[in-house]
Amino acid sequence: DAGITQSPRHKVTETGTPVTLRCHQTENHRYMYWYRQDPGHGLRLIHYSYGVKDTDKGEVSDGYSVSRSKTEDFLLTLESATSSQTSVYFCAISDGRTYEQYFGPGTRLTVT
Amino acid sequence: DAKTTQPTSMDCAEGRAANLPCNHSTISGNEYVYWYRQIHSQGPQYIIHGLKNNETNEMASLIITEDRKSSTLILPHATLRDTAVYYCIVRVAETNAGKSTFGDGTTLTVKP
Repeated sequence: DAGITQSPRHKVTETGTPVTLRCHQTENHRYMYWYRQDPGHGLRLIHYSYGVKDTDKGEVSDGYSVSRSKTEDFLLTLESATSSQTSVYFCAISDGRTYEQYFGPGTRLTVT
Repeated sequence: DAKTTQPTSMDCAEGRAANLPCNHSTISGNEYVYWYRQIHSQGPQYIIHGLKNNETNEMASLIITEDRKSSTLILPHATLRDTAVYYCIVRVAETNAGKSTFGDGTTLTVKP
């Protein structure tokens, strides 16, 4: 299995509070991604990174920001969490050759 | 990136081959076909990908039609542990930072 960890694995927070999710990789892959998955939906891309300090928006980026100060870490921040951001969040990585993605175990976030 | 169409659900008997179809009639010449699967509540798992030629690895085979407008993922001897949602994705590997759009996929149920 690719070396990807996500923390925390579970979190319950209140509306309006800031939340940061961390994705850590040991594969030295260039690309990192954040997705969210909601019941009955496939995965939707939030943000992705193509190198240190290089990030771009995905299809559902509103309300989220990201940062990547090191190759191995990609942070997803909800500046002011809302109930609509209750979801399971997956991090993924890929190299710069064949671009298949390897996913982390997920973080289940509940905003009350 | 091209859109894909997959059946919502399929059943397969344990020990038999599972053939999962995917239509991608608007695929471009430089777009690859990728397959992933997601076992309940886990992160998606990369299975296989291809451009033109049929591909085989330890998990599955990928058959791409000559006009590249459709493909079939074959699990040669399905087991109960192959019960999962299977996603077919087409995208250009070298652009868009390798980001993928995951649809709703096919829920494969392997039955004893």
